[in-house]
Amino acid sequence: QVQLVESGGGLVKPGGSLRLSCAASGFTFSDYYMSWIRQAPGKGLEWVSYISSSGSTIYYADSVKGRFTISRDNAKNSLYLQMNSLRAEDTAVYYCARDYIAVAAFDIWGQGTMVTVSS
Amino acid sequence: QSVLTQPPSVSAAPGQKVTISCSGSSSNIGNNYVSWYQQLPGTAPKLLIYDNNKRPSGIPDRFSGSKSGTSATLGITGLQTGDEADYYCGTWDSSLSAHVVFGGGTKLTVL
Repeated sequence: QVQLVESGGGLVKPGGSLRLSCAASGFTFSDYYMSWIRQAPGKGLEWVSYISSSGSTIYYADSVKGRFTISRDNAKNSLYLQMNSLRAEDTAVYYCARDYIAVAAFDIWGQGTMVTVSS
Repeated sequence: QSVLTQPPSVSAAPGQKVTISCSGSSSNIGNNYVSWYQQLPGTAPKLLIYDNNKRPSGIPDRFSGSKSGTSATLGITGLQTGDEADYYCGTWDSSLSAHVVFGGGTKLTVL
């Protein structure tokens, strides 16, 4: 069964850090580009970051550049998002998603993990 | 404010047809493939359309996509109450740095 399972969300104070993980199963993880996409409560989708299949190419949204770091471990079938200097506006459900054919078509999504930044 | 512009809401009766528009620019829709997603309440988004007009396996042909210039359209025929959801368009944007952009979302109400 093809699936993605996120973990690592929680409540953190402004300025704090959190590391999200996404475990992939049921497909050859190393063949696919992956992304993190978030959704603030009651809001629309916002793309956060993108990593190529080998990890050699990475992109970030301007809103997180310099604060967030995406990475992957193909041997462990896992995707990560290290989030530093967190702000209240980073509060959202964070989804990891598989890019079907490397054209920003996300065909597999995790269930999401909630990150709340609040004092 | 989203880079891609969608109407906030659309509505139609069961069995009818509805279209949802997505407007962008030459740096995104105009030169890249468009995808469409359906998000039912409390769930993760689901890919409906990719490459402007292709449907993944399992997506019924009631859902269709098209693109013209810097705009894209999602069409849904034979509306069902189960189609009530938020719909998002998305694509690459290669303006200053490569990144993915989404529309603000359209809430579909099946009356």
